Amino acid sequence: LAKTTQPISMDSYEGQEVNITCSHNNIATNDYITWYQQFPSQGPRFIIQGYKTKVTNEVASLFIPADRKSSTLSLPRVSLSDTAVYYCLVGGDYNQGGKLIFGQGTELSVKP
Amino acid sequence: GAGVSQSPSNKVTEKGKDVELRCDPISGHTALYWYRQSLGQGLEFLIYFQGNSAPDKSGLPSDRFSAERTGGSVSTLTIQRTQQEDSAVYLCASSFFSGPNEQFFGPGTRLTVL
Repeated sequence: LAKTTQPISMDSYEGQEVNITCSHNNIATNDYITWYQQFPSQGPRFIIQGYKTKVTNEVASLFIPADRKSSTLSLPRVSLSDTAVYYCLVGGDYNQGGKLIFGQGTELSVKP
Repeated sequence: GAGVSQSPSNKVTEKGKDVELRCDPISGHTALYWYRQSLGQGLEFLIYFQGNSAPDKSGLPSDRFSAERTGGSVSTLTIQRTQQEDSAVYLCASSFFSGPNEQFFGPGTRLTVL
């Protein structure tokens, strides 16, 4: 499964837009790009998933360029409660059973 | 509705003992996954089930680890002869099917091996 690279940590302030970019140079044709959020002492929570171009839901947007070698999670107007670890994952195709390979994640700290 | 539940929430055991960790997935979810998260680390895939069969056991660290799923529902992860390096949070997730879709995670079982 493709390896992902993302910043270890990021700082932001309330009300700002936060963009977290993930590199996945070896992404395969059948791979999807998925982002999860994890708060301390909790299991990860699904944020968004995409295959190409742009996906938007009520929580975030996911931008995927044509070559799919990277992706950017965009969180609009973050609040203190968005402080968490964000994981970028590549994979999940049927042939791999949907298993997720987590990297170290990006620890986002939102300050007042 | 009810989410994924895991029991126990915490387990402290002595080195060399066997432990069983339980996962109750969301009703109707055919796929079930086990992950492990060591302190300050990301999640490590262990095994996944599609129904009662386990097509991918590649993440199990050693033959001391085993898992089963019965009735397409409850799953048990068993660790035999526990070692201190087994200490971690064991997370279970389920999804409607195995593939590119949302996995719903349980709260995890924190295992401490003394």
